[in-house]
Amino acid sequence: DARVTQTPRHKVTEMGQEVTMRCQPILGHNTVFWYRQTMMQGLELLAYFRNRAPLDDSGMPKDRFSAEMPDATLATLKIQPSEPRDSAVYFCASGLTGVGGLDEKLFFGSGTQLSVL
Amino acid sequence: GQQVMQIPQYQHVQEGEDFTTYCNSSTTLSNIQWYKQRPGGHPVFLIQLVKSGEVKKQKRLTFQFGEAKKNSSLHITATQTTDVGTYFCAGWQAGGTSYGKLTFGQGTILTVHP
Repeated sequence: DARVTQTPRHKVTEMGQEVTMRCQPILGHNTVFWYRQTMMQGLELLAYFRNRAPLDDSGMPKDRFSAEMPDATLATLKIQPSEPRDSAVYFCASGLTGVGGLDEKLFFGSGTQLSVL
Repeated sequence: GQQVMQIPQYQHVQEGEDFTTYCNSSTTLSNIQWYKQRPGGHPVFLIQLVKSGEVKKQKRLTFQFGEAKKNSSLHITATQTTDVGTYFCAGWQAGGTSYGKLTFGQGTILTVHP
């Protein structure tokens, strides 16, 4: 079965360190989302891309977060420098959207559990 | 910006009782989707509703989309322990999925006591 692959599954780091999370979307999907999940904020949209172009990153603290999609098989989310308040589960999701008439659902990866000490 | 509110935040039921979660959007939606996230897992797509007033069923689950396309509900009949998890609604703003973004509600955490 096709699935979204996220690495790493778990990351523990110290405050101030750089963290890079990677996502391989499902082949053929044109849209990739990054969500952050905490108990307090639920699923919070950080950024998303369509056909590799960034469409919206208004949910992302831009002074420390950056999201890129260097090619169709890889999306990255980087935090530099990391802070304890960044501790959360980060999900990548991909889908085929904007084509109309189809179940334009998202497939989520298993997430990266980030702990910043 | 678009906001999607979901209530209740938590629901505890005895096995066999019914459960309903409600979703309201601040803007008209082009469609609404529902996802389930098991404890420790990731959200998994359940269903998409597109038409005003649409009702869809999946076994014991009934999904409704409001006439104004601004609200939705998920009803589970006779809950089972396998229904445990967090249920999210998510809406695309009107204009279609070529525009805007998919915004998730806060989710309803369902606990089922055997």
